[in-house]
Amino acid sequence: QVQLVESGGGVVQPGRSLRLSCAASGFIFSNYGMHWVRQAPGKGLEWVAVISYDGSDKYHADSVKGRFTVSRDNSKNTVYLEMNSLRAEDTAMYYCAKDGSGSGAPLDYWGQGTLVIVSS
Amino acid sequence: DIQMTQSPFYLSASVGDRVTITCRASQSISSFLNWYQQKPEKAPKLLIYAASSLQSGVPSRFSGSGSATDFTLTISSLQPEDFATYYCQQSYTTPQTFGQGTKVEIK
Repeated sequence: QVQLVESGGGVVQPGRSLRLSCAASGFIFSNYGMHWVRQAPGKGLEWVAVISYDGSDKYHADSVKGRFTVSRDNSKNTVYLEMNSLRAEDTAMYYCAKDGSGSGAPLDYWGQGTLVIVSS
Repeated sequence: DIQMTQSPFYLSASVGDRVTITCRASQSISSFLNWYQQKPEKAPKLLIYAASSLQSGVPSRFSGSGSATDFTLTISSLQPEDFATYYCQQSYTTPQTFGQGTKVEIK
């Protein structure tokens, strides 16, 4: 069965960096795009970034552009989110999610999330 | 960016009620509209994709309809396990965007 397991969250000071990982299993990882979605405490879902199946295409939300970078290692079945210059407003649960099949596909499987708290 | 607007923000209903949640896109998104359910402290779960297709394993009391800019999620007979927050999401273009959510609570 499909499993997505995020790790790397924690408490970090403003301006510092953090790298999140999402380990995938149960499907052919190199065939699917992968997303990061975040949720601030008590708030709704915010799409953060997507990377294509082979890593050749990446898109980031304006709110994180220039600070966050999505990447993947298909040999390790893992997608990453490198977060730099962190701000208090980046405090959230971060979920990785798998693209479904085909153009315009939904996010059909989600991990359990990893919590990032940006605080001095 | 495409804005997604859900209504209502909050809905109080009883077990057995028929419940409808609406989602409006700021421009046409064809049928690239998905619905997710999120329970407290849990990850979102896909319910409906492509506006009206039921994800595998999701009970048939859930249904979706609509196209272009106006969409609905209907729960035909609300069950205790359906009390949750529901989000619509457009996958027509990047950045993909979510509605603000509709919390369904017990009356």
